[in-house]
Amino acid sequence: DGGITQSPKYLFRKEGQNVTLSCEQNLNHDAMYWYRQDPGQGLRLIYYSQIVNDFQKGDIAEGYSVSREKKESFPLTVTSAQKNPTAFYLCASSSSRGNTYEQYFGPGTRLTVT
Amino acid sequence: DQQVKQNSPSLSVQEGRISILNCDYTNSMFDYFLWYKKYPAEGPTFLISISSIKDKNEDGRFTVFLNKSAKHLSLHIVPSQPGDSAVYFCAAQAVGNTPLVFGKGTRLSVIA
Repeated sequence: DGGITQSPKYLFRKEGQNVTLSCEQNLNHDAMYWYRQDPGQGLRLIYYSQIVNDFQKGDIAEGYSVSREKKESFPLTVTSAQKNPTAFYLCASSSSRGNTYEQYFGPGTRLTVT
Repeated sequence: DQQVKQNSPSLSVQEGRISILNCDYTNSMFDYFLWYKKYPAEGPTFLISISSIKDKNEDGRFTVFLNKSAKHLSLHIVPSQPGDSAVYFCAAQAVGNTPLVFGKGTRLSVIA
């Protein structure tokens, strides 16, 4: 089955610890994205990568880091510098279809930091 | 500054009636628009899209209308079903492989 997997579904961490969220896709998509969703805030872009070994900051990149060493994988690290890390994190990927780039989302990871 | 706005946080509709979800945008460089549906604790799923060269796109019960001069689009669901109850996100994309810009979503409740 082609798709995007995120693991784990639920993650709990103590304040001050870094944590890495996994995102893998087998859709052969070039671009991958990380969003966070907070109540009433919609989806806000954290980082995105259009090709391997390259990535760009989104609207709310502070306190996060990413890597893109393989086409299939785009892990997100939530560092201790992120002031409000508790949120629902969504990974997405896209590939060109004509001139449009519809994004497909994974199931999400709910991170709770206490 | 929000480039994509969904001004109605919630909407309730009776089963069988039409649901109309609205979305406004400010960036005239947007040329492709999408609607996503999201259930709690799940990732959004793509629903329907429209290119800026069209003013209407239909897929079964779902129709999206685009009014470029007003920078406004709407999603019509007819007839509405209880399974349509979810949060609907409007998204827009500028020319080129740029990330989607999402609105804050509208929670649709279809009442049986």
